[in-house]
Amino acid sequence: EAQVTQNPRYLITVTGKKLTVTCSQNMNHEYMSWYRQDPGLGLRQIYYSMNVEVTDKGDVPEGYKVSRKEKRNFPLILESPSPNQTSLYFCASSVGGPVLHQYFGPGTRLTVL
Amino acid sequence: EDQVTQSPEALRLQEGESSSLNCSYTVSGLRGLFWYRQDPGKGPEFLFTLYSAGEEKEKERLKATLTKKESFLHITAPKPEDSATYLCAVQVYSGGGADGLTFGKGTHLIIQP
Repeated sequence: EAQVTQNPRYLITVTGKKLTVTCSQNMNHEYMSWYRQDPGLGLRQIYYSMNVEVTDKGDVPEGYKVSRKEKRNFPLILESPSPNQTSLYFCASSVGGPVLHQYFGPGTRLTVL
Repeated sequence: EDQVTQSPEALRLQEGESSSLNCSYTVSGLRGLFWYRQDPGKGPEFLFTLYSAGEEKEKERLKATLTKKESFLHITAPKPEDSATYLCAVQVYSGGGADGLTFGKGTHLIIQP
């Protein structure tokens, strides 16, 4: 089954404790992206990657890091999480960029205390 | 700054009562406009991509249209299962190639039996 998976689905952590949210897709897609979704603000793009070793900032990259060492994986790293990073995070992928059908993962709900 | 505004924020309809959702955009050069559906607790699900003014696309009870300033998502004879949040997003041309996506805040649609 074609899908984007994220882990963990739920995470409660404390300020400053480094964490990684994994994202993996099994569709051999070149394009992958991370979004955060907050009430009243909608979906905002954090980082995206057009291909392996190619990443670029979205609208809200501050406080986040990403890497794309393999085509199927695109982890999101929070080196020193803060409470304002409490949010619902989505990973997405598509075959050739955001103009094509993006498949979204199920989401990761992160709470930073 | 690129902007995407969706209206109304929320809409409650009776089953079978047709209506339209609006997405107005202010961008420097539109590459594509997208409609997604999002159910509670899930990731967005792709519906349509529109590329140029005058373009229309249909899927079951949904029809998306595009002008130079806005897009409409028309819902004909909706059913309760059409209840969801509908998201609009745009991608713009940039000098260096593909940019990320900018999403609107969504329209929360409720269809009452």
